[in-house]
Amino acid sequence: NAGVTQTPKFQVLKTGQSMTLQCAQDMNHNSMYWYRQDPGMGLRLIYYSASEGTTDKGEVPNGYNVSRLNKREFSLRLESAAPSQTSVYFCASSERSSGNTIYFGEGSWLTVV
Amino acid sequence: GENVEQHPSTLSVQEGDSAVIKCTYSDSASNYFPWYKQELGKRPQLIIDIRSNVGEKKDQRIAVTLNKTAKHFSLHITETQPEDSAVYFCAASETSGSRLTFGEGTQLTVNP
Repeated sequence: NAGVTQTPKFQVLKTGQSMTLQCAQDMNHNSMYWYRQDPGMGLRLIYYSASEGTTDKGEVPNGYNVSRLNKREFSLRLESAAPSQTSVYFCASSERSSGNTIYFGEGSWLTVV
Repeated sequence: GENVEQHPSTLSVQEGDSAVIKCTYSDSASNYFPWYKQELGKRPQLIIDIRSNVGEKKDQRIAVTLNKTAKHFSLHITETQPEDSAVYFCAASETSGSRLTFGEGTQLTVNP
């Protein structure tokens, strides 16, 4: 039982490049999330998927797209990376989207130069 | 939407002392309040949570209190140890059931 697994762990991109962060969970959770964490700004929700087949914008969705590929997988795509997207990205999941413990992946450190 | 404010942003205590971190929230309908601990370079992990039908919850040296009238909740750590040094995040859940809103975090340092 690996929990929430995300890849890659580290990535350096040039401005304008695109990339996809992959996330998978093996806990049979219904809900999945992508957060970004910047120094002194806590965890901000980018997108979430309350259940398979649905996705919704969070607090800071601009510049990102997501795909809930199936119940296990939830990917985050940067179409045209910008330096402002330099951050640590955490994927997370929970059994349901209301009042349940959220389990985080180990994080992906992304630098855009 | 929900807004969560957390204070202080940094807290330094001596080993063995108590530490208290406070959060306020804006949505009176929020009903789930977890606390996460994040060690340097690691993922956030749940340490304790409380729901709106409970005023206080304890787990060994950690306790959380909730005042729904005032819309604030607090984390209390007693007999602090150096391994308690980390960033602590509070959060509140919207009743729409869609997501957690996090506070900005408190860097706790426990000095030996």
